[in-house]
Amino acid sequence: GENVEQHPSTLSVQEGDSAVIKCTYSDSASNYFPWYKQELGKRPQLIIDIRSNVGEKKDQRIAVTLNKTAKHFSLHITETQPEDSAVYFCAANASNNDMRFGAGTRLTVKP
Amino acid sequence: DTGVSQDPRHKITKRGQNVTFRCDPISEHNRLYWYRQTLGQGPEFLTYFQNEAQLEKSRLLSDRFSAERPKGSFSTLEIQRTEQGDSAMYLCASSLQIGTSSTDTQYFGPGTRLTVL
Repeated sequence: GENVEQHPSTLSVQEGDSAVIKCTYSDSASNYFPWYKQELGKRPQLIIDIRSNVGEKKDQRIAVTLNKTAKHFSLHITETQPEDSAVYFCAANASNNDMRFGAGTRLTVKP
Repeated sequence: DTGVSQDPRHKITKRGQNVTFRCDPISEHNRLYWYRQTLGQGPEFLTYFQNEAQLEKSRLLSDRFSAERPKGSFSTLEIQRTEQGDSAMYLCASSLQIGTSSTDTQYFGPGTRLTVL
């Protein structure tokens, strides 16, 4: 079945710096890769997703890249702000359509 | 609020009791998913429905867990004979699946936090 690994588990950056979170997956049939942001005590919120027919997608300060050959994808946040502080989860769909999540990255943006 | 809703938001129960949670998906969504999330971990898939049909169950799901979606709208998740290890956040998500070739975007509810004493 699908296995998703996420790194790093914690990340601390200065406000204005960039943050990069990386994930790898095991199921070559996976074709959908969403990223969720979860603030303390709140629901996971979709922030960006990418499908396997593209290699990169950007939405303002957030971008995601996908390398299908290497089976990894990354989240890039530029010009980080304190309100970006949260736990970020990557995910990949398994061949039976359920979603597998990484263990999460706790991002802290220091003002 | 037209998002996914869950009830109750918090549940405290004693070991051995049965509990039932409810999820109301976004109204036009045909797929409904249940996940479990423990502290410091990502959501762990439990089961999902397409309309009223339960299409997939995690192999990790104990037979004490059962889920239903009788009319293809709201869903219930029941845990029988609860154990302390069942303490977690139970998240529901819904999506609109169109066709069969791509995977739908899932939108999460606020979760039900279960504490088993």
